Amino acid sequence: DAKTTQPNSMESNEEEPVHLPCNHSTISGTDYIHWYRQLPSQGPEYVIHGLTSNVNNRMASLAIAEDRKSSTLILHRATLRDAAVYYCILSGEYGNKLVFGAGTILRVKS
Amino acid sequence: DTEVTQTPKHLVMGMTNKKSLKCEQHMGHRAMYWYKQKAKKPPELMFVYSYEKLSINESVPSRFSPECPNSSLLNLHLHALQPEDSALYLCASSQGPGANEQYFGPGTRLTVT
Repeated sequence: DAKTTQPNSMESNEEEPVHLPCNHSTISGTDYIHWYRQLPSQGPEYVIHGLTSNVNNRMASLAIAEDRKSSTLILHRATLRDAAVYYCILSGEYGNKLVFGAGTILRVKS
Repeated sequence: DTEVTQTPKHLVMGMTNKKSLKCEQHMGHRAMYWYKQKAKKPPELMFVYSYEKLSINESVPSRFSPECPNSSLLNLHLHALQPEDSALYLCASSQGPGANEQYFGPGTRLTVT
């Protein structure tokens, strides 16, 4: 399974944009990039996924580098409820086999 | 209804007990998963069921026995567990195998004494 590298933690101010980076230099051509987050005392929650093009949904945007070796999850206006562990995951050979890395702990300050 | 429910929320069991964890979804999803999450660690995949058949077993010890009686229900039968098996057990489902969005339940917090 291809690996991802994320910063251990990041801090943001409320109502400001947050850019969460992820490196995946060994990504293969068929790997999708997924982002999940896990709020305290909850199960993980799907955020967004993409293959090559940038993606937007109601929760976030995903910017994928042209060479696909890195990506950035963008939260446009962080709120206190966005404080969570954010996981960047490559889907690997099977689209349903998620291998979670350590993730980034996002702290949001009011 | 986009919810995955898990029961019980908490479970304490002795090493000689037999217990079961239950997971249910009514979204018509045909793939279901069990994950294990130790404290302050990421979730680890244990099993994947596709169309009620076991498709992935991540070399999980036989004291964990999954069962998928129908497309809405997933069980995890536990027997002769060890204290190191204490963890949060998460269930998830997706529309089908290869689907890109998994929906997770809140988990069952298991303590083995």
